[in-house]
Order: sequence, then C-alpha cells, then structure tokens
Amino acid sequence: DIQMTQSPSSLSASVGDRITITCRASHPIGSYLSWYQHIPGTAPRLLISDASTLQSGVPSRFSGSASGTEFTLTISGLQPEDFATYYCLQSYTSTITFGQGTRLEIK
Amino acid sequence: EVQLLESGGGLVQPGGSLKFSCAASGFAFSSYAMSWVRQAPGKGLEWVSTINSGGGSTFYADSVKGRFTISRDNSKNTLYLEMSNLRSEDTAAYFCAKVLYSKYTYGPFDSWGQGSLVTVSS
Repeated sequence: DIQMTQSPSSLSASVGDRITITCRASHPIGSYLSWYQHIPGTAPRLLISDASTLQSGVPSRFSGSASGTEFTLTISGLQPEDFATYYCLQSYTSTITFGQGTRLEIK
Repeated sequence: EVQLLESGGGLVQPGGSLKFSCAASGFAFSSYAMSWVRQAPGKGLEWVSTINSGGGSTFYADSVKGRFTISRDNSKNTLYLEMSNLRSEDTAAYFCAKVLYSKYTYGPFDSWGQGSLVTVSS
C-alpha cells in the first residue's frame, strides 16, 4: 500500500500568514493527489485535485504543487475561515490513502 | 446541485450489523464511482470502500475486508454499505463521497454526504 506522510500534524498561525503543508508519498503516484479542508461536523471540502488544480469556488489563496513524490498545499494570506484540518489523499491505487491530517489553529 | 444524503446510522452492539444508504441527486449517478470514508472520534479521515460506476468492481480497506459490503442500485440512485461483525473500532462518522471525474474510479472526491454516525458499544 502507498503511505502518505503528512506534516506538520498541527500548525499555529495568524490571520494573514502564509503556511505550507506537505505530503510525501511512499511510492510514485503521478499527480493523483488531492487536498481537502475539514471542519468538524461538516462534510470535507475538495480544494485541490490533480496536485495543483484549484476547484471551482475555492479562493485563489489556496494553491498546490508537486515535486516527485512530495506535494505541498500553500495558503497565502490566511483568513479566519481557513482554520480547520487539512488532509491530502492519494487516489493512484485502488487502496486509497489519506494523510494523517494537519490541524491549523489560530495563534 | 449535487446532494448526497446518508441514512442508517445508530447504536449497535459488537458483532452486530447495520446498513447505510446514501441517496444521490443532482448528477448522473450511474456514471460515477462512489466511495465511503469514515472518521473515528478524534481521528483522521479513513477510506473504507469504493465501487465503480456499474457496480461490478469493488474495493475495500484491509480493516473492513470480509465484514463490509459496498453496493449500489443505479435505478434508485442509491449507494449502500452493509456492515457486519461490527467492532468498537468501527465507531465513526461515515461519509459517502462522489468521485470528481466519471472516467476515474478511485478519486478525488468532489461531493460528500453530511455524515452518519455509527456507535458500536454494548
């Protein structure tokens, strides 16, 4: 199975900050990597598909990039509504795997 | 507008069974693979199972293989997850999720249900 190692597990930041979250795949997964925002009690929200494709309706302060098996989610200019938990997901194989999650908290 | 509405959660004893339903609307259900994802209390998201658009191919996480069965009825636009021999570690909120592209089977997931909770406890 492909393991997704996500870091950091938690992050404290202020409104207006720029933050990055990283996921590293244990094997090559091409661009089959997506990013999700999850607020407890709600449905997860797809932010980025195919490693770097911003979904419709998602603010442009969110961006994704890839370099080999390392994938990055960047939020430039944090807004109050961005404080949530973020997950990466690989869908390269039939055994889909999520990263462990990054809890983004207000400093 | 895509809508996914889960039902069937509740309290069940260890070793018991439960069946979730996910009623879909707002898209061509029969053209898209669907999955179930769960989140145990205090834990992260965990993929559970996937079924392709026609229902002929199914995939399961090792943690549920042999105990859970995913199925779909394209005539009713409904996805199912039948769970048996439930364990305490199956306690979680279960989400149904739609794959973004009709040509893909495994993901990504662009629409999610609101989540339905199952508690396995005696």
